[in-house]
Amino acid sequence: GENVGLHLPTLSVQEGDNSIINCAYSNSASDYFIWYKQESGKGPQFIIDIRSNMDKRQGQRVTVLLNKTVKHLSLQIAATQPGDSAVYFCAEKDYGQNFVFGPGTRLSVLP
Amino acid sequence: GAVVSQHPSWVICKSGTSVKIECRSLDFQATTMFWYRQFPKQSLMLMATSNEGSKATYEQGVEKDKFLINHASLTLSTLTVTSAHPEDSSFYICSAPRRQVAFFGQGTRLTVV
Repeated sequence: GENVGLHLPTLSVQEGDNSIINCAYSNSASDYFIWYKQESGKGPQFIIDIRSNMDKRQGQRVTVLLNKTVKHLSLQIAATQPGDSAVYFCAEKDYGQNFVFGPGTRLSVLP
Repeated sequence: GAVVSQHPSWVICKSGTSVKIECRSLDFQATTMFWYRQFPKQSLMLMATSNEGSKATYEQGVEKDKFLINHASLTLSTLTVTSAHPEDSSFYICSAPRRQVAFFGQGTRLTVV
């Protein structure tokens, strides 16, 4: 993958505040994107997905925004809770079945 | 509940021995599975694509004789780390696509001593 081997940036937010995690993807042909949450010592868990024909999708407390013009993806978490502390990865998929993962962002929720 | 099960969750082995990691899709069939390696504080790095009934496809720089992959059934792929060395110590994760979403196993922490 293009973004492997990079060290994780960290985002610290106060409990109850909103969090915004950003991701720049590389392939303009990518048509499907997923945000994953990875807690320490565990595999990534699906949070929310979005297709390239959409620019916004909302879930429970989470919203994903897609800007294809600048190849940018963001994950917004409302009312961030301590349980949201984890590493968040965006993943892009093109015509195949494989996903390419971004470098990830560590979210740290402060009490 | 988990849709992909990975086993073991952790293993410690001696240098020179081989270790097998299993990845199972639960309640669905997966003709393709993916194996990743993850170093501390880093993203997932795709090692290989496991194809049911045919040879695995390895990413550039990944030794196929070192990391043997077998996908003998539609619900099971195995990764065998052969002649393990301390530098093989890492977190290994498998995934299987289901309706376009990639679901991940719990990961296996391998420590080679």
